[in-house]
Amino acid sequence: QKEVEQNSGPLSVPEGAIASLNCTYSDRGSQSFFWYRQYSGKSPELIMFIYSNGDKEDGRFTAQLNKASQYVSLLIRDSQPSDSATYLCAVIPSSASKIIFGSGTRLSIRP
Amino acid sequence: DTGVSQNPRHKITKRGQNVTFRCDPISEHNRLYWYRQTLGQGPEFLTYFQNEAQLEKSRLLSDRFSAERPKGSFSTLEIQRTEQGDSAMYLCASSSEADTQYFGPGTRLTVL
Repeated sequence: QKEVEQNSGPLSVPEGAIASLNCTYSDRGSQSFFWYRQYSGKSPELIMFIYSNGDKEDGRFTAQLNKASQYVSLLIRDSQPSDSATYLCAVIPSSASKIIFGSGTRLSIRP
Repeated sequence: DTGVSQNPRHKITKRGQNVTFRCDPISEHNRLYWYRQTLGQGPEFLTYFQNEAQLEKSRLLSDRFSAERPKGSFSTLEIQRTEQGDSAMYLCASSSEADTQYFGPGTRLTVL
């Protein structure tokens, strides 16, 4: 079992709709969770971080964390073509300072 | 620009040559990380420094790889006797005492 799992996609969403990206993790003691966006050929860019159960909203982005289910998600409202990218879920396990990344979900917003 | 910087941005080398990459973290960040990323995968952790101390190394980091952060500021990653399998994007990130890591633009290595 991978430490951080994501569906590789591609996930295709019409412009203006809500894109929902999901991630599960294996270390139940993990405390810190991140979503990064990565455009092709570029480095990861931090979108959101979340530490507590529940929802955290920042503009069009909402991160959701459910530690009991070991599940974290990212919702993108009013999707724009510029949101087309690979979204990386990342977790800091309980015993470490390093980030463990999922392999990413490729999101495509169709006009 | 106060972000993380990396040099060079691209490096093409022949198999068997040595290469060295540099990372300059955000100035107030005391933690510095190196990751490697190949096509279609997320970044893989290589090593981590807190100030000048190298606190963790991945088993991915073979004895051909070495990293330093001599004064607790910039860091270098050296790969000796490069192999074609070393071709990847090498990413540096930095953070303060908080967990959030910010990435540099990366160095793309191509080994011919």
